[in-house]
Amino acid sequence: GENVEQHPSTLSVQEGDSAVIKCTYSDSASNYFPWYKQELGKRPQLIIDIRSNVGEKKDQRIAVTLNKTAKHFSLHITETQPEDSAVYFCAAANYGQNFVFGPGTRLSVLP
Amino acid sequence: NAGVMQNPRHLVRRRGQEARLRCSPMKGHSHVYWYRQLPEEGLKFMVYLQKENIIDESGMPKERFSAEFPKEGPSILRIQQVVRGDSAAYFCASSPGGDSIRGYTFGSGTRLTVV
Repeated sequence: GENVEQHPSTLSVQEGDSAVIKCTYSDSASNYFPWYKQELGKRPQLIIDIRSNVGEKKDQRIAVTLNKTAKHFSLHITETQPEDSAVYFCAAANYGQNFVFGPGTRLSVLP
Repeated sequence: NAGVMQNPRHLVRRRGQEARLRCSPMKGHSHVYWYRQLPEEGLKFMVYLQKENIIDESGMPKERFSAEFPKEGPSILRIQQVVRGDSAAYFCASSPGGDSIRGYTFGSGTRLTVV
């Protein structure tokens, strides 16, 4: 089955700097890669996703890149703000199957 | 659209009791997924259901845990004879299914505490 790894487990950046979180997956059949943000005590919320036929996607300060050959994908947050502090989860999925989540990255943006 | 509704938000049970968690998917969504999240940990898949069918229950413990998604009404995750280790947040997610895969919408979760 699918296995998703995520690094780093914790990340601290200064406000205004960039943050990068990396994930790898094992199942070459996976074709959908969402990213979720979870604030303390709240539900995970989808922030961006990418499909396997796309190499990069951007939404304002957030971007995701995908390298299918290497089976890894990354989340990039630019100009970080304190409200970006949260736990971020990557996931990998194939149609008709459940999402497999990475273990999460706790991002702290220091003012 | 009220989103994915889970209840109760908080549930306290004594060891040995039964816990029943409910999830109503978003309107138009026919796929429901249950995940468990232990404190400071990630989301662990438990079970994937469509109406009246269990599609994948590979993440659900074989004993004490069961799930259903009846033709009418919410999806139910049932934990019998709860133990302290069952204490966790249980999240339900739904998706529309169909021809293309899309991101889940999660409910607010049920935080189960076993005392």
